[in-house]
Amino acid sequence: GAGVSQSPSNKVTEKGKDVELRCDPISGHTALYWYRQSLGQGLEFLIYFQGNSAPDKSGLPSDRFSAERTGGSVSTLTIQRTQQEDSAVYLCASSGRDFRDSPLHFGNGTRLTVT
Amino acid sequence: AQSVSQHNHHVILSEAASLELGCNYSYGGTVNLFWYVQYPGQHLQLLLKYFSGDPLVKGIKGFEAEFIKSKFSFNLRKPSVQWSDTAEYFCAVTMYNNNDMRFGAGTRLTVKP
Repeated sequence: GAGVSQSPSNKVTEKGKDVELRCDPISGHTALYWYRQSLGQGLEFLIYFQGNSAPDKSGLPSDRFSAERTGGSVSTLTIQRTQQEDSAVYLCASSGRDFRDSPLHFGNGTRLTVT
Repeated sequence: AQSVSQHNHHVILSEAASLELGCNYSYGGTVNLFWYVQYPGQHLQLLLKYFSGDPLVKGIKGFEAEFIKSKFSFNLRKPSVQWSDTAEYFCAVTMYNNNDMRFGAGTRLTVKP
């Protein structure tokens, strides 16, 4: 596609339920990032995938959060047993192998509301 | 891991005022530095970047940033802001030859017409 695609664009869920957020990066981009943007907290790094290397999971806030990237393309961020503090906009971004020539391209995000 | 600090949470200026947004990073090695901007209702986009060479970098829309290695800083400047510059600005850093990008908390800029 022309850009990074995220789905759903909005998700309202009840506390305790599991949610899955999807990111479809730009074709050919080897690097994929998940960030969380919440009011007053800025842009918080969650996880980073680069090609077939082991992902950098150092930003995941708890073991309720996990992410996969299948076939080096589509990624899914899963939040288990959601809590109200998980409410935020979850952003996905991708870039090419040489980021000097390929800045991050962001999706429009998924707005998650936990009630 | 490196971290990025943006000291100004919310800046309010009148049109034609000069702008400087602070950004400091904590990493002693070679870094690549970026400023991204998010206009209301839009997704983040690259404003400017520094990899090497001239430490004064010019970006789009009249923005520039200066890399001062001794101060671990990469402040964003614009001599005369416009109402259309109202947005949130994020500083970001990667270590040399590494895509792992970390962002600061962002600075919200409001320009009054």
